[in-house]
Amino acid sequence: GQNIDQPTEMTATEGAIVQINCTYQTSGFNGLFWYQQHAGEAPTFLSYNVLDGLEEKGRFSSFLSRSKGYSYLLLKELQMKDSASYLCAVRDRGGNYGQNFVFGPGTRLSVLP
Amino acid sequence: ETGVTQTPRHLVMGMTNKKSLKCEQHLGHNAMYWYKQSAKKPLELMFVYSLEERVENNSVPSRFSPECPNSSHLFLHLHTLQPEDSALYLCASSLTVNTEAFFGQGTRLTVV
Repeated sequence: GQNIDQPTEMTATEGAIVQINCTYQTSGFNGLFWYQQHAGEAPTFLSYNVLDGLEEKGRFSSFLSRSKGYSYLLLKELQMKDSASYLCAVRDRGGNYGQNFVFGPGTRLSVLP
Repeated sequence: ETGVTQTPRHLVMGMTNKKSLKCEQHLGHNAMYWYKQSAKKPLELMFVYSLEERVENNSVPSRFSPECPNSSHLFLHLHTLQPEDSALYLCASSLTVNTEAFFGQGTRLTVV
């Protein structure tokens, strides 16, 4: 099976930098995704990592270490609109047909003025 | 707007009713998904279709029955549901099963 862990809640100040961690245990790892979900809305794709290292996309960056089963999402120059839940999701080759996609519990980020 | 449209947005149904959720995408994607999102719980993958063929079924009760008539449409047929099935049901699509998914706005289902 899979186990994905994220902090439940985080708080940061506007303009600051925040790092949201995700640890996972899985067999047949085949990629890790980060999504943002505002309350009452659909999740939106932020980033994808399948190889070790850092992927940068504007104010958002995501890091992966496959040997440690660890990823983080880094948000720079925080804005009030960044207040949302951030979901870590892992894809592996498990499941009934070899395609399994599991979401973590999500981290609710509150950005304060 | 992600290009994935779900209807209805809200649905209230009794335990003896039969209803269907509809999902439509015009992104040219080949994979479609149904997810369930309950309060205080992670998103749960229910079904995966690739090129109109079901490729994943995560031990979902038979009272949920998916249908994928073509690569642009996905349905979730519901019958004899339980109150604990009340949740947000999200549809998603992706170019292939190996690429990122785009989500619809979801159907908020309440079973009474």
